[in-house]
Amino acid sequence: QSVLTQPPSASGTPGQRVTISCSGSRSNIGTNDVYWYQQIPGTAPKLLIYKNNQRPSGVPDRFSGSKSGTSASLAISGLRSEDEADYYCATWDDSLRGYVFGSGTKVTVL
Amino acid sequence: EVQLVESGGILVQPGGSLRLSCAASGFTFRNYAMSWVRQAPGKGLEWVSVISDRGGRTYYPDSVKGRFTISRDNSKNTLYLQMSSLRAEDTAVYYCVKLIGTDGYKDYFDYWGQGTLVTVSS
Repeated sequence: QSVLTQPPSASGTPGQRVTISCSGSRSNIGTNDVYWYQQIPGTAPKLLIYKNNQRPSGVPDRFSGSKSGTSASLAISGLRSEDEADYYCATWDDSLRGYVFGSGTKVTVL
Repeated sequence: EVQLVESGGILVQPGGSLRLSCAASGFTFRNYAMSWVRQAPGKGLEWVSVISDRGGRTYYPDSVKGRFTISRDNSKNTLYLQMSSLRAEDTAVYYCVKLIGTDGYKDYFDYWGQGTLVTVSS
């Protein structure tokens, strides 16, 4: 069972906006930065958002992240077919003294 | 271009041992912390271990503590994961991952290898 909770699935039609939540606790999201990874089926994960809301170079500005209290969220605006993937949130947990991942959310473009 | 190439994944019996390797290139290996993250078939990501740039600091989750050992050889630009007392639940694709900082503490993962499959079964 994951320390960080995400909805198992999310979907939208092309052009729509999809939001994925990531719920944690004071020992992880509450005190540390959140990161988001995209994993297209059959490939390795890729860094999508770092330090809550920063995009690495090459990541489209359709992807945005935010954090408030013990929760974080990833938004995908202008949904495209190539956004079909699994999305994971991650952070450090002070109590566990290690990295923790969310359970993952599968995004489907209808 | 950062490249991380894992090797060593095989079919191993429960209770057995195995060492994974990760050959790194495209960056100054000795200046960065490194990690292993695994993914069981059809499941999510699970962090397995992290090591600081010089190898002096390591962290593990309880699920592998005492059974897995992460190490590195900076002269060979290679990361290792020694796994022992393997269980069926250790079956997964193991990814070699580069971190953005040096000590592996409260850091994050920026580059991932393609992974190597470890299957634990009799």
